[in-house]
Amino acid sequence: DTGVSQNPRHKITKRGQNVTFRCDPISEHNRLYWYRQTLGQGPEFLTYFQNEAQLEKSRLLSDRFSAERPKGSFSTLEIQRTEQGDSAMYLCASSLKVQSQGETQYFGPGTRLLVL
Amino acid sequence: AQSVTQPDIHITVSEGASLELRCNYSYGATPYLFWYVQSPGQGLQLLLKYFSGDTLVQGIKGFEAEFKRSQSSFNLRKPSVHWSDAAEYFCAVGPRGGGNKLTFGTGTQLKVEL
Repeated sequence: DTGVSQNPRHKITKRGQNVTFRCDPISEHNRLYWYRQTLGQGPEFLTYFQNEAQLEKSRLLSDRFSAERPKGSFSTLEIQRTEQGDSAMYLCASSLKVQSQGETQYFGPGTRLLVL
Repeated sequence: AQSVTQPDIHITVSEGASLELRCNYSYGATPYLFWYVQSPGQGLQLLLKYFSGDTLVQGIKGFEAEFKRSQSSFNLRKPSVHWSDAAEYFCAVGPRGGGNKLTFGTGTQLKVEL
């Protein structure tokens, strides 16, 4: 059973640089979520996809952030012109949404970003 | 707006003692309810969930949680804590319809004394 995987696990970058993270969901899952977790806090929702369609974006997701899920499988999260405030753990989760049934999200190990 | 409150930031228990972690939520309707556990530097692992039916739910690693609608609570319990249970625990809620973005509490850090 392969779970959700994320790459890289750690990323150190300089302020102003662009970074991209990848998430590979559990293979049959149709929904994919991105969350951000800062130190001492719970994860906060950023965006989610159903198949390849991006259905919701949080107000936390500024115009420097973009996410894609081009073929309804893996997803990428890009941050342009990184700022020190972007330093956080970025978590990906996937789920299988079946109509009229409850939905459970399974999380990956996260990508820890440090912006210097 | 929905919110989740975990009033205890840190809890320390002795190995073998019982544990209860508190979770209260504010939501328009009864949400889906979850408990996740996170070890340092790791992602979140699902412990248990409540969708409907029996309000006492069993999870992995000997954990259980009870949904109390009248108190808007979903407290996590374990009768006998093991040293390996030391981690951070998050309560989360999600809507019953539409997108299922989760709203998390701020977490409770559990320390286990040997």
